Amino acid sequence: DIRMTQSPASLSASLGETVNIECLASEDIYSDLAWYQQKPGKSPQLLIYNANSLQNGVPSRFSGSGSGTQYSLKINSLQSEDVATYFCQQYNNYPLTFGSGTKLEIK
Amino acid sequence: QVTLKESGPGMLQPSKTLSLTCSFSGFSLSTSGMVVSWIRQPSGKSLEWLAAIDWDGDKYYNPSLKSRLTVSKDTSNTQVFLKITSVDIADTATYYCARTNRGFGDYWGQGVMVTVSS
Repeated sequence: DIRMTQSPASLSASLGETVNIECLASEDIYSDLAWYQQKPGKSPQLLIYNANSLQNGVPSRFSGSGSGTQYSLKINSLQSEDVATYFCQQYNNYPLTFGSGTKLEIK
Repeated sequence: QVTLKESGPGMLQPSKTLSLTCSFSGFSLSTSGMVVSWIRQPSGKSLEWLAAIDWDGDKYYNPSLKSRLTVSKDTSNTQVFLKITSVDIADTATYYCARTNRGFGDYWGQGVMVTVSS
């Protein structure tokens, strides 16, 4: 199985700030990487796929980058509605595997 | 409009078999390329992919649970099922189904909470 190591586990930032969340795959996943946002009591929502493609309807302040084994999610100009837990997921190989999550709070 | 909705027993006893149903609309599982996955999430924890079935009837399982899982679909290609045998407390979680055509979940159901308790 491909192991996804996500950091940090939690993050506190001020409104308007830029935040970065990292994901490290245990082997090359060739940009087969998605990012999800999950708000309390809700199902995950797709933000980014193919490492850097923005899903329809997702605000442009979200962006993804990376290649090989290292990937990141950037949120520009943090808004109150961005409070959530974020997960990365690789889909280069079955079994699909997820990172452990990053809980984002407003300072 | 694509929608998915999970249904299940809510609570069951250890050692029993858990049966879950994913009912969906807005796409047909008979269409080439379509894939539906089951994913679960214990409260406060991360997501664990369990199984998937594709338009051609091919099935994929998480090796860590493979011996206990069976995924299937109905003949109308609008429902997918998951059975988990010999459940125990560690199977307590919210269970989601999602459309995962390209490997990522572009549409998810609302989830169904399952508690295993005696």
